[in-house]
Amino acid sequence: GNSVTQMEGPVTLSEEAFLTINCTYTATGYPSLFWYVQYPGEGLQLLLKATKADDKGSNKGFEATYRKETTSFHLEKGSVQVSDSAVYFCALIRYNNNDMRFGAGTRLTVKP
Amino acid sequence: DAGITQSPRYKITETGRQVTLMCHQTWSHSYMFWYRQDLGHGLRLIYYSAAADITDKGEVPDGYVVSRSKTENFPLTLESATRSQTSVYFCASSARAETQYFGPGTRLLVL
Repeated sequence: GNSVTQMEGPVTLSEEAFLTINCTYTATGYPSLFWYVQYPGEGLQLLLKATKADDKGSNKGFEATYRKETTSFHLEKGSVQVSDSAVYFCALIRYNNNDMRFGAGTRLTVKP
Repeated sequence: DAGITQSPRYKITETGRQVTLMCHQTWSHSYMFWYRQDLGHGLRLIYYSAAADITDKGEVPDGYVVSRSKTENFPLTLESATRSQTSVYFCASSARAETQYFGPGTRLLVL
């Protein structure tokens, strides 16, 4: 079945450090891939997405590239800020399918 | 305000009681979804709906009932609440089977 595996947290970084959160997936066909972010006490917000192989999604300094050969969609940011502290979820959805699958989430804490 | 809202935001109930969680969206999105969020599991799909009067089971539907008589509303009912249904419940909507937009969540505690 379709599934997403992302690196376990929590992740604690200092401000301006480089961030990588790993995400790999298993899916039939060609899924669309997403990163969602959840700030404390809130629902999930779409951070970025990619719909086909080699696409790069980007938003707010975050980037992720859809790598079909390694079935990965790792999230990166060159310089994190305290305001980036949140839980990050990798997710996939197959084309024309309503069943979105999420990873377990990675909690990021950025210290000043 | 436009968007997706959930009510109540917090609910405490007892084992065996019926509980209904409400979800309302103002975008006229065709698709609506219910998820539960538990530590270590991320979000798991309970039920979804592709349009009014069309619903289908997700990954963890047991113990839940949904209905969709109007496009904008998608209530989730726990017919006889159990402690294992203590969770945070998120409603989401989308215009098509892709990017989903989430409500703020309902924290449910079953005693």
